[in-house]
Amino acid sequence: EVQLVESGGGLVQPGGSLRLSCAASGFTFSSYEMNWVRQAPGKGLEWVSYISSSGSTIYYADSVKGRFTISRDNAKNSLYLQMNSLRAEDTAVYYCARDRPAESPNGWYYYMDVWGKGTTVTVSS
Amino acid sequence: SSELTQDPAVSVALGQTVRITCQGDSLRSYYASWYQQKPGQAPVLVIYGKNNRPSGIPDRFSGSSSGNTASLTITGAQAEDEADYYCNSRDSSGNPHVVFGGGTKLTVL
Repeated sequence: EVQLVESGGGLVQPGGSLRLSCAASGFTFSSYEMNWVRQAPGKGLEWVSYISSSGSTIYYADSVKGRFTISRDNAKNSLYLQMNSLRAEDTAVYYCARDRPAESPNGWYYYMDVWGKGTTVTVSS
Repeated sequence: SSELTQDPAVSVALGQTVRITCQGDSLRSYYASWYQQKPGQAPVLVIYGKNNRPSGIPDRFSGSSSGNTASLTITGAQAEDEADYYCNSRDSSGNPHVVFGGGTKLTVL
């Protein structure tokens, strides 16, 4: 069964750090690009970061750039999100999601076909 | 960066057809994908590409696109379709980013 399982969430004080993990199983993790997506309480989905299959290409949302670092260990089938200088507005459920690029006659398109259940991060004093 | 705009809420009578729309400049370049999210659960992909459904998604879900607007149509809405629906695409403004719409809360009456 294709599965993603996040872990590492918890309560942290403003300015603190936290490292999230996402364990992949049931597919060849090293062949897939990955994303982190978050959802603040009562709010919509917000993309956080993307990493290519090899880890050589990385993108961040402006809201987390310079504070968060995405990485992966293909030998361990794991994706990570190092979160530093945390703020109250970073409070959210964090999901990892598998990215799927696809080509059509009209060009490339992208979607996220597998999602984890999420891990909750609460930033509060 | 690009934005995707969705109506905050839509309602449909049980068994009727409902269309949920998503507007944004990036949709002129990329197909939208659509996700269903029920309370306390992770999002689930329901439509991707021109009009593709993942395995297990009922065929009452369909997608279409025209210009800067993507649509998710549910033909014969069921009570279990009551959920939040989000559209998503890549940013076409030059930023290599991913964008989500604000979400549409679908109520099945």
